[in-house]
Amino acid sequence: QKEVEQNSGPLSVPEGAIASLNCTYSDRGSQSFFWYRQYSGKSPELIMFIYSNGDKEDGRFTAQLNKASQYVSLLIRDSQPSDSATYLCAVKRRGSGYSTLTFGKGTMLLVSP
Amino acid sequence: GAVVSQHPSWVICKSGTSVKIECRSLDFQATTMFWYRQFPKQSLMLMATSNEGSKATYEQGVEKDKFLINHASLTLSTLTVTSAHPEDSSFYICSARDRGSQYNEKLFFGSGTQLSVL
Repeated sequence: QKEVEQNSGPLSVPEGAIASLNCTYSDRGSQSFFWYRQYSGKSPELIMFIYSNGDKEDGRFTAQLNKASQYVSLLIRDSQPSDSATYLCAVKRRGSGYSTLTFGKGTMLLVSP
Repeated sequence: GAVVSQHPSWVICKSGTSVKIECRSLDFQATTMFWYRQFPKQSLMLMATSNEGSKATYEQGVEKDKFLINHASLTLSTLTVTSAHPEDSSFYICSARDRGSQYNEKLFFGSGTQLSVL
């Protein structure tokens, strides 16, 4: 079983719609969860991180965490063409003394005008 | 936010040569830096963890004699791909954690280096 799983997509949504990106993880003791956005040929940039069960909102982005289901999601409201990118889910390993992250393969999001 | 500078952005080299990639934290001290490799349409794979003043810790399956890591100061880590081969062609990305924030989980990424070995 892969540690961090994401649907590779592409996920296509029209401009202005809500994009929902999902991620599951296998290590039940995982503590921290991150969403990164990566444009083609560029390095990842952090969008959000979440530690506690529930929702965390930041502008048009909402991260949702359900540790019981080992599931974390990212909602993007009012999607814009500039949101088109690959979104990487990352999980911090249990017990690691420093920030070692395990990344999923990413979900490609395409927002059409 | 913190800035991590990575150079070069891209490099083309002949098979058998060595390539050095630099990763610098510009406005903070990084006791720990991480080197990732990403093949097309694949996830970031951690290669090694670079610790200032000590030997790097390599992930399973990564050859430490091929991928030399040096973390000589709190602001600089280098990755040298020795005797590069076409299969080493990939996107290499470094990241760093701010020393001043022990519990800060956030990593700051360099801009990445696209290596193409002919």
